Amino acid sequence: EPEVTQTPSHQVTQMGQEVILRCVPISNHLYFYWYRQILGQKVEFLVSFYNNEISEKSEIFDDQFSVERPDGSNFTLKIRSTKLEDSAMYFCASSGFTGGLDTQYFGPGTRLTVL
Amino acid sequence: AQKITQTQPGMFVQEKEAVTLDCTYDTSDPSYGLFWYKQPSSGEMIFLIYQGSYDQQNATEGRYSLNFQKARKSANLVISASQLGDSAMYFCAMGSGAGSYQLTFGKGTKLSVIP
Repeated sequence: EPEVTQTPSHQVTQMGQEVILRCVPISNHLYFYWYRQILGQKVEFLVSFYNNEISEKSEIFDDQFSVERPDGSNFTLKIRSTKLEDSAMYFCASSGFTGGLDTQYFGPGTRLTVL
Repeated sequence: AQKITQTQPGMFVQEKEAVTLDCTYDTSDPSYGLFWYKQPSSGEMIFLIYQGSYDQQNATEGRYSLNFQKARKSANLVISASQLGDSAMYFCAMGSGAGSYQLTFGKGTKLSVIP
């Protein structure tokens, strides 16, 4: 069964460093998303991406964040200068389009720790 | 704005018994979808079940069913014949639109299945 994959599973970085989180969405899906979950809290939407551009972004997704689909399979989230409060689980998700509200399937997540 | 409320931070259920996890929502959108996801201790987000706002019948997927009461704006998840592997966090979420959409999550309910 197709699934969303994410690498790395864990990332530890120093404050101020840049990190790139990678995702491979389900191959025939058209819509891609990033969410984050700070430890013990609910999942929060960051950004959605379609047709090589951002569809929607939340207040969390400020200038420190960027997304890219560098090739036909990968979808990346870059955090330019990490802060302590960026420590969280980051989930990539993807969905298809059958004319309605297609289910978003999540990857296993990348746990980011900023020291 | 959309809002999801899960009022049960934790629930216990005896193995083989049924359990209901509560979810209420608020939205001004006439068309929307409600989702339930399971998050085991390993951290991944697993899609369980979906209910569209215009669906006439309550959704079912194996041991999972969704008790959808539109007038009361509730979308409770019912798990029948609980198994030890059902112990996890359960998140209710909603979205609206078509194609690309933002999921709004509740705070989750931690379910513990007792042998």
